[in-house]
Parts: sequence; C-alpha cells; structure tokens
Amino acid sequence: EAQVTQNPRYLITVTGKKLTVTCSQNMNHEYMSWYRQDPGLGLRQIYYSMNVEVTDKGDVPEGYKVSRKEKRNFPLILESPSPNQTSLYFCASSLYGTDTQYFGPGTRLTVL
Amino acid sequence: KNEVEQSPQNLTAQEGEFITINCSYSVGISALHWLQQHPGGGIVSLFMLSSGKKKHGRLIATINIQEKHSSLHITASHPRDSAVYICAVEEDPRYNTDKLIFGTGTRLQVFP
Repeated sequence: EAQVTQNPRYLITVTGKKLTVTCSQNMNHEYMSWYRQDPGLGLRQIYYSMNVEVTDKGDVPEGYKVSRKEKRNFPLILESPSPNQTSLYFCASSLYGTDTQYFGPGTRLTVL
Repeated sequence: KNEVEQSPQNLTAQEGEFITINCSYSVGISALHWLQQHPGGGIVSLFMLSSGKKKHGRLIATINIQEKHSSLHITASHPRDSAVYICAVEEDPRYNTDKLIFGTGTRLQVFP
C-alpha cells in the first residue's frame, strides 16, 4: 500500500531533550516536506527536500534540522526542543514539487 | 496580510446545498492545491491545478491565474463532507523557491 508513515504518532518530552521524528515513504517520491500545524495559523512549511542530499528551508525552519540521506526517509530533528515547538507535525511527499501531496498521519508533539 | 487568504473561515450548510469555498493569493505560483482535513486530523489531497478546472465526483475546483483566485465547489453536499478545506499554493520556482504556502482553512459543517 502506497503510504507515508511517521513515528512516533504522539510524543511528550521535556525542554532540551533531543528528539527525532521519522518519516518514510514507499512511493519513490523525489519531494518530501515537513509541516507544523497550529490553531489559527494553519499549516506552515518547516523544511523541504527536492531530492537526496538536497534540502531547503521553508517558512519556519528555526529550531529544526532535517537530512535526506536516502530517497525514502526524511527525519525531522529537534536538537533542543522548546515549548513553542509543541504542535501537530505532518510529513508529506510527492513525485515532484509540483504534484499531488501525500500526507503522513501526523505526530502530536508536546514539549513541557 | 497573508499571502493566501481563504473565505469564509467557517461555513455551515444543510445537506444537499451547493457550497463554494474561495482562495485568493498574492504571489506568483506554479500550482495550487486543495486539501481536505477530517476531524481525525488526516490530510488528503483533493486537487492540484495550475489552470482551468478539475472535477472529481461532487467536487469541482477552478482557478483564474490572472485574478489570482481559486474556488472549490461541492455539489449536493453531505454530512460526510464536513471537514476543514485548505488551499495551498506552490511559489513560482523562477523565484528560486519551491515552497508551499497554506491558507488557514475553511471549516465546513454539513447538517442532515
């Protein structure tokens, strides 16, 4: 089944404790992206990647890191999480940038 | 001012009504996406269009590039259409970016 998976789905952590949210797609898509969704602000793009080893900042990259060592995986890294990073995070992929986006199920992160 | 504006923010309808959701944008784009987010949180791509009109079942999406405006229409609405509908634009890559910019969404409730 074609899908985008994210893990974990729910995470509660404390300020400063490094964490990684994994994202994987099985559709051989070139483009992958991370978004956060906050009430009243909608979805905002954090980082995106057009291909392996190619990443670019979105609108809200501060406090986040990404890497794209393999086409299928695009992990999101929070080196030192802070409470303002409490949010709902979505990973998405598409064949190319200008194409139908496939979203993962979301990861609800709470930073205390 | 947001680069992508949706209207209305909230919409209620009776089953069977014809529904229109509007999206206006202020940047040059290569494509526009309509997404649906159900109460459970999952996001599904409905349409991706760069010109004209697309139809899928009871859903119709149109875009006017000159006026920088898109509409999503739902014919014969049903309670299962209740969701948040999100407009997103891909910035024109001639500006050296491939970012997605999202509207804040339109919350639709359809009552039986």
